[in-house]
Amino acid sequence: AQSVAQPEDQVNVAEGNPLTVKCTYSVSGNPYLFWYVQYPNRGLQFLLKYITGDNLVKGSYGFEAEFNKSQTSFHLKKPSALVSDSALYFCADVYGNNRLAFGKGNQVVVIP
Amino acid sequence: ETGVTQTPRHLVMGMTNKKSLKCEQHLGHNAMYWYKQSAKKPLELMFVYNFKEQTENNSVPSRFSPECPNSSHLFLHLHTLQPEDSALYLCASSQGEGGYGYTFGSGTRLTVV
Repeated sequence: AQSVAQPEDQVNVAEGNPLTVKCTYSVSGNPYLFWYVQYPNRGLQFLLKYITGDNLVKGSYGFEAEFNKSQTSFHLKKPSALVSDSALYFCADVYGNNRLAFGKGNQVVVIP
Repeated sequence: ETGVTQTPRHLVMGMTNKKSLKCEQHLGHNAMYWYKQSAKKPLELMFVYNFKEQTENNSVPSRFSPECPNSSHLFLHLHTLQPEDSALYLCASSQGEGGYGYTFGSGTRLTVV
């Protein structure tokens, strides 16, 4: 079965610094990978996805993610973090009969 | 607004009450999902419906009863809940079952007292 792992519970970063949220996957074949963001008391919002094609995927709010097959990773990045980026971030992949499996989530705290 | 609307946004209910959560999507999707999100725990998939038919029930206690009258509406009927059922309940929909990603509603914050 496919799955994703988000190794860190919380990521703290100073405003203006680069932000990275890590995700690794375990899969045979070609994965379909997603990133979602959740602001307090809201549902999950789609940020970006990798299906095929360019390894660097650009998404909403200035976020991007790089698919790295040799390292089985799909880390989310933003060059310059904003305080408003403070939220919960979920990595997900598709498994079985096209279900989405979510990681445990990473709390991102951007410090002013 | 994501196109998936959940009502109510907040609900407080006693353990002997009966209440229902509602989810409606205006995206033309054919699959709908209920998730439970508790503090400090991963997202838990509860039920999946595809073209109104239930395709997954992840060993959810019978005090949670889903209903999907059509592809646009999904309900979660609640009765005799426990305090540990307090959580954020999220509805999502997708075109096909997941490969295109899910669209989520804002959730219902449920508190069982």
